[in-house]
Amino acid sequence: KNEVEQSPQNLTAQEGEFITINCSYSVGISALHWLQQHPGGGIVSLFMLSSGKKKHGRLIATINIQEKHSSLHITASHPRDSAVYICAVGGGADGLTFGKGTHLIIQP
Amino acid sequence: GAGVSQSPRYKVAKRGQDVALRCDPISGHVSLFWYQQALGQGPEFLTYFQNEAQLDKSGLPSDRFFAERPEGSVSTLKIQRTQQEDSAVYLCASSLPATYEQYFGPGTRLTVT
Repeated sequence: KNEVEQSPQNLTAQEGEFITINCSYSVGISALHWLQQHPGGGIVSLFMLSSGKKKHGRLIATINIQEKHSSLHITASHPRDSAVYICAVGGGADGLTFGKGTHLIIQP
Repeated sequence: GAGVSQSPRYKVAKRGQDVALRCDPISGHVSLFWYQQALGQGPEFLTYFQNEAQLDKSGLPSDRFFAERPEGSVSTLKIQRTQQEDSAVYLCASSLPATYEQYFGPGTRLTVT
């Protein structure tokens, strides 16, 4: 079974700071997902990637397949970015294996 | 287009009661997943359907948990004789065939008292 580790578990930063959340996994994968979860439970998919780098607005996700590591970056962070960010691997018929999440708070 | 919907959004059950949680996937999504998320934890896989076939139920924690999807669309997760440790958010997700991206519902928060 794949083990997914995220760091940090909690992160508090000031508005405008550059944010990095890290994810490592133990077994080679077909896809890695970055998800955002707001209070109340709803999960939104931010990125799905299997190699390289993807960018969407102020969010950037990178993955290094050889090192089994991915990072999620937020540039010019804003209080509305406050949420739990979850890394997950797999998909297809196997379902997803999730990390425990990073609880991000951006203070104004 | 409608996303994945789940009902009820919140459920309080007394220990020993049976509960049924409903998931309406996105129309045309063949694959359907159930996950359990305990407080402060990441979700964990429970079971997977492809159409009406339950292809993987390895994550169901006990035989008190039962899931079905009889017509290949709506799915129901049933928990019999609920216990306090069943308290969690139950998430449903659906996806198109041969893709890895999953679309999540808002979840059902179950509290067993």
